[in-house]
Amino acid sequence: AQSVTQLDSQVPVFEEAPVELRCNYSSSVSVYLFWYVQYPNQGLQLLLKYLSGSTLVESINGFEAEFNKSQTSFHLRKPSVHISDTAEYFCAAGGNAGNMLTFGGGTRLMVKP
Amino acid sequence: NAGVTQTPKFRILKIGQSMTLQCTQDMNHNYMYWYRQDPGMGLKLIYYSVGAGITDKGEVPNGYNVSRSTTEDFPLRLELAAPSQTSVYFCASSYSSGFEQFFGPGTRLTVL
Repeated sequence: AQSVTQLDSQVPVFEEAPVELRCNYSSSVSVYLFWYVQYPNQGLQLLLKYLSGSTLVESINGFEAEFNKSQTSFHLRKPSVHISDTAEYFCAAGGNAGNMLTFGGGTRLMVKP
Repeated sequence: NAGVTQTPKFRILKIGQSMTLQCTQDMNHNYMYWYRQDPGMGLKLIYYSVGAGITDKGEVPNGYNVSRSTTEDFPLRLELAAPSQTSVYFCASSYSSGFEQFFGPGTRLTVL
């Protein structure tokens, strides 16, 4: 069965600093990868996704993630965070081989002024 | 498209009461899911459905029941509510099992 590991449960960072949220997955077959964001007291929203093609994918609000097949990773990065980026971020892995989408445990990003 | 809608947004139950959490999607997705999220924790899958008339247990099904009579609706039933069921409940849907899931806004349930 697929598993997804988010290595950091909490990441505190100062405003305008860069940040990386780490995600590793276990599947050896064709994989789809997703990052979701959950703002306080809200549902999960898709931030970005990798299905195929370019290994670097970007969101509209400045986040990017890179699919690294050899390291089975899909880390999320932003070069300069804002207070408004404070949220819980979930990595998820799926695919077209019948595997259910599997979520990581989440990483709480806390941006300090 | 409204996407995935859930009702109610909030509910307080007494121990032993029962209730149904409603979930509807208008994207014609075959797959639907119910998750619970406890404070500061990740998502735990309660039940899922791969199409009308077909449901299966997830990681934490005890104390819950589901039905799927139509493609659009996937209600979650709590029988004999217990304090351990205090949580936020999310419904989601997807085109297929490994594809992107679309989430509803959640139902915040408190059992006292």
